[in-house]
Amino acid sequence: GNSVTQMEGPVTLSEEAFLTINCTYTATGYPSLFWYVQYPGEGLQLLLKATKADDKGSNKGFEATYRKETTSFHLEKGSVQVSDSAVYFCALSEPPQGGSEKLVFGKGMKLTVNP
Amino acid sequence: DAGITQSPRHKVTETGTPVTLRCHQTENHRYMYWYRQDPGHGLRLIHYSYGVKDTDKGEVSDGYSVSRSKTEDFLLTLESATSSQTSVYFCAISSGRDEQYFGPGTRLTVT
Repeated sequence: GNSVTQMEGPVTLSEEAFLTINCTYTATGYPSLFWYVQYPGEGLQLLLKATKADDKGSNKGFEATYRKETTSFHLEKGSVQVSDSAVYFCALSEPPQGGSEKLVFGKGMKLTVNP
Repeated sequence: DAGITQSPRHKVTETGTPVTLRCHQTENHRYMYWYRQDPGHGLRLIHYSYGVKDTDKGEVSDGYSVSRSKTEDFLLTLESATSSQTSVYFCAISSGRDEQYFGPGTRLTVT
């Protein structure tokens, strides 16, 4: 079945450091790919997405490119801030079955950014 | 922010008791989902709904049932709570165009 594998951490960085969170996937067909972020005590929020190969999603200084040849969707940010401390989830969408598209999530990676 | 609320936000209950969690949306989205979040497992789908009275099982549905009698409400019931069901439960909604929007979560502790 479809699956997502991502770095699990936890990871601690200093402010202004470069961030990469690796995500690879296994899927049939051509799923959409997502990064969700969960701030402490909150639900998940969509950070960015890409719907086809070579698409780049971007938001809040974060970027990820849909790489079909390497089945990857790595998340990057050039300079992290303390406010980026959160848990990051990579996810893919499965084709509709039983009337609904479903998301498959990685296990999440906790990032702490220190001043 | 998508209009999704969950109630209660926190609950402590004893093993063997029934528990119902409620998800309420004001977005009129067709699709609704229940997930549980546990350390080392990420989010796992419990049940989902693709319309009023239309529901189906996810990957971890054993011990859970759901009901959707109105577009805006999706209920998750633990018929007889067990300690393994201690978790954080998230509801999500979708219009069917890939993205899901999540509620704030319910922290359930079964003692």
